[in-house]
Amino acid sequence: DTAVSQTPKYLVTQMGNDKSIKCEQNLGHDTMYWYKQDSKKFLKIMFSYNNKELIINETVPNRFSPKSPDKAHLNLHINSLELGDSAVYFCASSQPLGDTNSPLHFGNGTRLTVT
Amino acid sequence: GEDVEQSLFLSVREGDSSVINCTYTDSSSTYLYWYKQEPGAGLQLLTYIFSNMDMKQDQRLTVLLNKKDKHLSLRIADTQTGDSAIYFCAEAGGSYIPTFGRGTSLIVHP
Repeated sequence: DTAVSQTPKYLVTQMGNDKSIKCEQNLGHDTMYWYKQDSKKFLKIMFSYNNKELIINETVPNRFSPKSPDKAHLNLHINSLELGDSAVYFCASSQPLGDTNSPLHFGNGTRLTVT
Repeated sequence: GEDVEQSLFLSVREGDSSVINCTYTDSSSTYLYWYKQEPGAGLQLLTYIFSNMDMKQDQRLTVLLNKKDKHLSLRIADTQTGDSAIYFCAEAGGSYIPTFGRGTSLIVHP
């Protein structure tokens, strides 16, 4: 009965490859996010979707493309992976923005290592 | 400077109280949160406080908010070894998207 689940948990790949990370939530939330956590634990938002529509797209290379087939899923596809993409990627979900108190619920993260 | 700042490390002895501090810059913050991250896991919401409150208590946790100084603290009473983790402060302002601090690593010594 995992609330926010992402796969895979670990991903090791070579530079130049294309990879995807999948995320699903069963909380009935309308809003989903992708965050990147670097080696110093700094957590930075990358994207946010509300009901399958992109609402936030921070300064992220266009090699990163989120896709939301429905409001319970938000996948992240990364093209032409680079060494600097190595990080832990977290998916999260919440009630719609602006609702009274919309804390984020996080998945357990995907540790991406690019060699 | 960063929008949300926290000290990086805190070391305490088991049984003592821990106080983790956070400062933020967004005066329109409506909700402020404390999240806990254990090794290899995602962030879990510990507690939150609405900006019109100055204190909230939840069992061993006490959150204090000084809105004038934009200062938030989390006090953990009777700290246990199981409390060792990284604690993130986050604020949600006008955009409602939480902005996170860099996290404070709490180390609890037996």
